[in-house]
Amino acid sequence: EAQVTQNPRYLITVTGKKLTVTCSQNMNHEYMSWYRQDPGLGLRQIYYSMNVEVTDKGDVPEGYKVSRKEKRNFPLILESPSPNQTSLYFCASSLSLAGEQFFGPGTRLTVL
Amino acid sequence: RKEVEQDPGPFNVPEGATVAFNCTYSNSASQSFFWYRQDCRKEPKLLMSVYSSGNEDGRFTAQLNRASQYISLLIRDSKLSDSATYLCVVRGGSARQLTFGSGTQLTVLP
Repeated sequence: EAQVTQNPRYLITVTGKKLTVTCSQNMNHEYMSWYRQDPGLGLRQIYYSMNVEVTDKGDVPEGYKVSRKEKRNFPLILESPSPNQTSLYFCASSLSLAGEQFFGPGTRLTVL
Repeated sequence: RKEVEQDPGPFNVPEGATVAFNCTYSNSASQSFFWYRQDCRKEPKLLMSVYSSGNEDGRFTAQLNRASQYISLLIRDSKLSDSATYLCVVRGGSARQLTFGSGTQLTVLP
């Protein structure tokens, strides 16, 4: 089944404790991205990647890192999480930027 | 001004009603336009792309007005299952990023 998977789905952590949210897609898509969704603000792009080893900042990259060492994986790293990073995070992939975005199920992160 | 703006609603309509949403965008160089649907606490899913000539998919019709910089979504004969948040999505002039509106919430009532 074609899909985007994210892990974990739910995470409660404390300020400053490094964490990684994994994202994997099995559709051989070139384009992958990370979004956060907050009430009233909609989905905001954190980072995106056009291909392996090519990543770019989105609208809200501060406090986040990403890597794209393999085509299928695009992990999101929070080196030192803070409470303002409490949010719902979505990973997405698509064949091209203009194509349909396939989203993962989301990761609900709470930073205390 | 936000790049992509939507009326947040909520829109509460009876079954069978016709409902229309508008979305305005600020970047006149925007190239691609989409409507996504998001059910509560779930991931967004593509509803339809929006083409310059307008397009229709069953009960759903999407229109683009480049001169006024807005896109619209019309839902005819609303069903209970249409209840969701509808997200307007625009690909800007940089052609590398997608910008999402904050969504319009629709509830179809029996």
